[in-house]
Amino acid sequence: DMKVTQMPRYLIKRMGENVLLECGQDMSHETMYWYRQDPGLGLQLIYISYDVDSNSEGDIPKGYRVSRKKREHFSLILDSAKTNQTSVYFCASRTGNSDYTFGSGTRLLVI
Amino acid sequence: GDSVTQKEGLVTLTEGLPVMLNCTYQTIYSNAFLFWYVHYLNESPRLLLKSSTDNKRTEHQGFHATLHKSSSSFHLQKSSAQLSDSALYYCALSEMLSGSFNKLTFGAGTRLAVCP
Repeated sequence: DMKVTQMPRYLIKRMGENVLLECGQDMSHETMYWYRQDPGLGLQLIYISYDVDSNSEGDIPKGYRVSRKKREHFSLILDSAKTNQTSVYFCASRTGNSDYTFGSGTRLLVI
Repeated sequence: GDSVTQKEGLVTLTEGLPVMLNCTYQTIYSNAFLFWYVHYLNESPRLLLKSSTDNKRTEHQGFHATLHKSSSSFHLQKSSAQLSDSALYYCALSEMLSGSFNKLTFGAGTRLAVCP
């Protein structure tokens, strides 16, 4: 069953703590994405990864960094989390002209 | 850059009435693809339908949309709303580069609430 898996599903962190969001896919898709979802703003692109160690900033990269050391895994890192990074984060993957496959999301609360 | 506009944040309908969710876009690319994604609560967003062909109706799961390049629109319609259609709907845009899709640019989303 082809899928994108995100861990954890829910996360509460204090302001200033580091946050690691993990995403895995079992489809050998080259391209992976991190989006955040906020009411009234839709899904906004944070980072794109075209393959291992080939990452590009999306539309709102400030405050985030990513890591992709294996094709199957794409991590989103928040160094010193801020309250305005409270959001739902979605990972997605695709290959060629295939459609996006989204994960189920990680709901992050920064207090 | 590309942009997608969904003016209605919330659409509330009575079951059985027709659905129309508006989507307009701006892009410099002539080969743009337009998409509708549906996001049910506690699930992953998933593709509902897509099109790149001007003036051609695209249908899936009872929904349909027609891309009109002259008006830069891709409105989502359904003849009769069902309770199970209640969800968040995203319009999105991408261009095809070298045989593969570039990034998706999403609109703000429209929440459809269907009431009995």
